[in-house]
Amino acid sequence: GQNIDQPTEMTATEGAIVQINCTYQTSGFNGLFWYQQHAGEAPTFLSYNVLDGLEEKGRFSSFLSRSKGYSYLLLKELQMKDSASYLCAYMDSNYQLIWGAGTKLIIKP
Amino acid sequence: GAVVSQHPSRVICKSGTSVKIECRSLDFQATTMFWYRQFPKQSLMLMATSNEGSKATYEQGVEKDKFLINHASLTLSTLTVTSAHPEDSSFYICSARSTGRREEQYFGPGTRLTVL
Repeated sequence: GQNIDQPTEMTATEGAIVQINCTYQTSGFNGLFWYQQHAGEAPTFLSYNVLDGLEEKGRFSSFLSRSKGYSYLLLKELQMKDSASYLCAYMDSNYQLIWGAGTKLIIKP
Repeated sequence: GAVVSQHPSRVICKSGTSVKIECRSLDFQATTMFWYRQFPKQSLMLMATSNEGSKATYEQGVEKDKFLINHASLTLSTLTVTSAHPEDSSFYICSARSTGRREEQYFGPGTRLTVL
């Protein structure tokens, strides 16, 4: 199957921390991606996890548990410019990206 | 880093006309390019997968005679929307996958198509 789920919308406060979860079900797996997409723009790459564990990159971190079909994107020290949609996607056995619907993150002052 | 360009970035056309969108990988070779469509407040929808030198593979529900894809070289793929109608108005985004590393996929900036 090709199921991938993430929350539709989340709200957080500037300076705080937010965790965006993503769950998936697939028989073939070649990694989990997170992209950021601002309104009217193309997605930009944030992270790629293919092994279990936490990958940290500045204010953003991404976690993967393959056995649980679960990933999260952690954003620290939130800034207003972080307001965007965050898309998770897994790469299937054909190396094709299967996309979630995206999580719209709203940052409030 | 790898750069993918799209041209034009924005196009407005009359109903019934055809529009061609170019996708270029500027500093790497892309055996495979993907074409996506995104309607407002919706996620990316894969339209077709384009492999250099062969016919594109279209997703279910995407009309191959309406959305013509040509991938004539390792750095260029084109999407032609034929006989465009207002319902084809959307944000079209291409992405290119590096020949050497299949997990790396780079997105173009997108083309906003408005059909009047």
